[in-house]
Amino acid sequence: DVKVTQSSRYLVKRTGEKVFLECVQDMDHENMFWYRQDPGLGLRLIYFSYDVKMKEKGDIPEGYSVSREKKERFSLILESASTNQTSMYLCASRRGQLNTEAFFGQGTRLTVV
Amino acid sequence: GQQVMQIPQYQHVQEGEDFTTYCNSSTTLSNIQWYKQRPGGHPVFLIQLVKSGEVKKQKRLTFQFGEAKKNSSLHITATQTTDVGTYFCAGLDAGNNRKLIWGLGTSLAVNP
Repeated sequence: DVKVTQSSRYLVKRTGEKVFLECVQDMDHENMFWYRQDPGLGLRLIYFSYDVKMKEKGDIPEGYSVSREKKERFSLILESASTNQTSMYLCASRRGQLNTEAFFGQGTRLTVV
Repeated sequence: GQQVMQIPQYQHVQEGEDFTTYCNSSTTLSNIQWYKQRPGGHPVFLIQLVKSGEVKKQKRLTFQFGEAKKNSSLHITATQTTDVGTYFCAGLDAGNNRKLIWGLGTSLAVNP
């Protein structure tokens, strides 16, 4: 079974802190994604990566950065956390071929106070 | 940019009633995928449709992909309480096949 593991299920951080969310997948997938999910807004893509050290901005990259130093690990960084970044963050991975499904981690519920 | 509209946003049904959610894309899709997210859970892949006019069934669930590959539907026959959750469609961006374009989801509530 494919496993996508996010480092924390719940996280509480203070405004202005630098926050790291980690995601690891064990199936050698080329593509990895970070989404945030808010009620009524669906899944919004923050960043994705299609190879080690490669990244592309998604729909809402402002206030975030990412790092992919190894194929299995994709990190989301909140440079200076703000209260409007309180959300559920979902990591996903997908094989590089055309018609493949995405596998999601269990999510990290981040609260910024 | 490319968008996938999904309706309705919410649906309440009595157990045993049917349910349908629809997705419409502004452009032609390479494929359409459907996911289910249970309350408190994460999206889980259900099925993928690739061919124009394709219809697939999974027990009480029927998935369709339109002839123009711009729309899709998920129909559940005789809903059960285990069907509760949010159903998302996601289409593959024809211009960037690494990125899925997601609908906003339809939240289904089933009254026993």
